Amino acid sequence: SQQGEEDPQALSIQEGENATMNCSYKTSINNLQWYRQNSGRGLVHLILIRSNEREKHSGRLRVTLDTSKKSSSLLITASRAADTASYFCATVAAGANNLFFGTGTRLTVIP
Amino acid sequence: NAGVTQTPKFQVLKTGQSMTLQCAQDMNHNSMYWYRQDPGMGLRLIYYSASEGTTDKGEVPNGYNVSRLNKREFSLRLESAAPSQTSVYFCASSKIYRELSNQPQHFGDGTRLSIL
Repeated sequence: SQQGEEDPQALSIQEGENATMNCSYKTSINNLQWYRQNSGRGLVHLILIRSNEREKHSGRLRVTLDTSKKSSSLLITASRAADTASYFCATVAAGANNLFFGTGTRLTVIP
Repeated sequence: NAGVTQTPKFQVLKTGQSMTLQCAQDMNHNSMYWYRQDPGMGLRLIYYSASEGTTDKGEVPNGYNVSRLNKREFSLRLESAAPSQTSVYFCASSKIYRELSNQPQHFGDGTRLSIL
């Protein structure tokens, strides 16, 4: 399966700290996307990193991609209580026609 | 701007009953998708519609049917509900299917379905 796995499954930090979550996948990919899901809501797209990029920034988000290790990380700096959510990586395998989602990291930011 | 709207938000069914989940998007997107989300499983694709008039099976299509009613609307039907179909169902849309990996998908807030 192409499905990615996020690590850790759950993470709890204090407001103001940085949060890092990781995603590993199994096969070659074109690009990788990160999504956020607030409790009881749908997924919201955060950032897309292409397979030829190693790092990408968007506001307080920093995403890295290591295609040799088949892994990506999402760093949220200076976390806020509003960042409390589940975070998912999603990939499309080269030649595939489905977007596969990982199982998610549940982030809790304590005010 | 509503984005992707799903109805109903909650539903309880008895085993063997049928129902249709509705989804509509107002972003003029060509492609639409149905996923189910189960604890510890992530999202799994049930069916998708790359463009108006076409539908294709995803990863877990058994027990479901879909209809792409027009460009805006994509419905999911459970003909004979089973307890294994208890899940949260999400509809999503994107601009162009062939750019699947290069485009974000936009999600509705889900339908929480319980089958007793």
